[in-house]
Amino acid sequence: GAGVSQSPSNKVTEKGKDVELRCDPISGHTALYWYRQSLGQGLEFLIYFQGNSAPDKSGLPSDRFSAERTGGSVSTLTIQRTQQEDSAVYLCASTQGGLGNQPQHFGDGTRLSIL
Amino acid sequence: AQSVTQPDIHITVSEGASLELRCNYSYGATPYLFWYVQSPGQGLQLLLKYFSGDTLVQGIKGFEAEFKRSQSSFNLRKPSVHWSDAAEYFCAVHTGTASKLTFGTGTRLQVTL
Repeated sequence: GAGVSQSPSNKVTEKGKDVELRCDPISGHTALYWYRQSLGQGLEFLIYFQGNSAPDKSGLPSDRFSAERTGGSVSTLTIQRTQQEDSAVYLCASTQGGLGNQPQHFGDGTRLSIL
Repeated sequence: AQSVTQPDIHITVSEGASLELRCNYSYGATPYLFWYVQSPGQGLQLLLKYFSGDTLVQGIKGFEAEFKRSQSSFNLRKPSVHWSDAAEYFCAVHTGTASKLTFGTGTRLQVTL
């Protein structure tokens, strides 16, 4: 497709389980971002990948959260030992480059619900 | 660190009325400024952006925004609102050096018929 693709669109899991969220950026986009959108918290930056550079992980809320980007394309966000406060919509975005003047293109997100 | 304030959490307007959504930012230099719209269950769609030059920028769906350096503002406007404009609107800034966009908390727009 032409846009950023995220899967699954919805995920319900039990507290304590691990989850993996996938993002497929727009072809050719070198920069990829993960954000979290939760009630009362707005949109929070989680992690940023740009080309082969070391990712900026400064937004990851705890060591239960990790992300990787294989081959400079698809990214996976992993949450281990999920907690109820992890319930949120996780949004992925990509840009052609890592410069601030490149608009970020967003996927539709994964709605994560922790029971 | 940069920050963005959207003082209006919720706004209701009648269809056909004009709209202005407020956005103020805090940053020492001129940031890159964006407005995004999010419909329920959807991701964020870019409405418009400001980088430099003309302070009045035009976007999609008939929206425009004006950058006012003296007020550190980037308010979004539309002369005549349509029912389909009901959504949540986010203002965002990027400093050009940081990795991320910094978002405001959003303004939810309701349109009455």
